Amino acid sequence: DAGVTQSPTHLIKTRGQHVTLRCSPISGHKSVSWYQQVLGQGPQFIFQYYEKEERGRGNFPDRFSARQFPNYSSELNVNALLLGDSALYLCASSWEGQPNTEAFFGQGTRLTVV
Amino acid sequence: GESVGLHLPTLSVQEGDNSIINCAYSNSASDYFIWYKQESGKGPQFIIDIRSNMDKRQGQRVTVLLNKTVKHLSLQIAATQPGDSAVYFCAENFSGSARQLTFGSGTQLTVLP
Repeated sequence: DAGVTQSPTHLIKTRGQHVTLRCSPISGHKSVSWYQQVLGQGPQFIFQYYEKEERGRGNFPDRFSARQFPNYSSELNVNALLLGDSALYLCASSWEGQPNTEAFFGQGTRLTVV
Repeated sequence: GESVGLHLPTLSVQEGDNSIINCAYSNSASDYFIWYKQESGKGPQFIIDIRSNMDKRQGQRVTVLLNKTVKHLSLQIAATQPGDSAVYFCAENFSGSARQLTFGSGTQLTVLP
């Protein structure tokens, strides 16, 4: 069975540019969450989507946005990139929108902003 | 905001010994806790979870203990192996919120030969 897949695996962007990161959840999972992990720290929650609706948003600026498609895949968009956006962006999927279920993470997209 | 923190940033153990990784959480309303293992260059890997109506849960070579009185969580790894070397994160969730996990900063476990 395929796990959570994210693309691209690595990305280099220039300050001010825009980036789109993609995530495909495990088959049958309808909930997708996005996290940002800065080097040396734990992941920080950005968004959660369930059945194409936003269920939660973390403390991130409006430059960050996301959406979920009918096939439950998801995109994370970041506008006007800053150097501080350099991080590993993780996608996690779970069986349903309920909190107390296991979340499976993808390998992440390493974003470097120069 | 409230967050999960870890007591020790690094831990070194001899191969074959037992490891104990500790975690303090501050949100008394949290009712679900997960331990993740993250190897270099990879995403977090689920190890074990526990709900707040339990105080102990065992898996294969791992045990999680939850002490709600002092808001403390621990992960015990039996017979630690070189493959256990990684960063370990505890994460908490409050079921009244979205599927939002709050992670600590992690403990680097190094297994010595």
